[in-house]
Amino acid sequence: EDKVVQSPLSLVVHEGDTVTLNCSYEVTNFRSLLWYKQEKKAPTFLFMLTSSGIEKKSGRLSSILDKKELSSILNITATQTGDSAIYLCAVEENSGYALNFGKGTSLLVTP
Amino acid sequence: GAGVSQTPSNKVTEKGKYVELRCDPISGHTALYWYRQSLGQGPEFLIYFQGTGAADDSGLPNDRFFAVRPEGSVSTLKIQRTERGDSAVYLCASAPSSGGANEQFFGPGTRLTVL
Repeated sequence: EDKVVQSPLSLVVHEGDTVTLNCSYEVTNFRSLLWYKQEKKAPTFLFMLTSSGIEKKSGRLSSILDKKELSSILNITATQTGDSAIYLCAVEENSGYALNFGKGTSLLVTP
Repeated sequence: GAGVSQTPSNKVTEKGKYVELRCDPISGHTALYWYRQSLGQGPEFLIYFQGTGAADDSGLPNDRFFAVRPEGSVSTLKIQRTERGDSAVYLCASAPSSGGANEQFFGPGTRLTVL
């Protein structure tokens, strides 16, 4: 049973559109939720969320955690072709060391 | 360089052969992780080192897989008697320390292909 589920699995949008990516999780002893962007091989860090309801923002990207709903969203506004990538959500538990990753959302932004 | 580096970037081998994959973490990072990512999947945890010791190797799929970090810096993942199912991208990540919601920094990975 997957601990972290992302939706949609893939998405195609036009440049300038706004997208919302979803991540839900089911773990005991939640510690943090992280978002990564993976363009070729190396996932690159976007956000780490530990507290519910506090939005984290970086340029056109923003993310928020809802611990009551056990979920997080990643928003990208005014998308650009350079945003095309796989977006990975991962959850860390207090009882472990590893990140539990979802399968990712593959985003394609067309010109 | 400042980031995590991994060598080789690509490795093609034949079924039954032995391979070694190397990871150079960010200088000063005590925590080191190995993950395996198959096509269409997220990275799956293999093993975690804190310093020189393997603190958690629960993700290693079987005893053909082994990893070391003898001096608490560079780590080598070793796979014996490779099988076609071992083909994947092997990612290494490091963090300043374990726990405390530390961000893990990933290397570019090694793409292993077993023919």
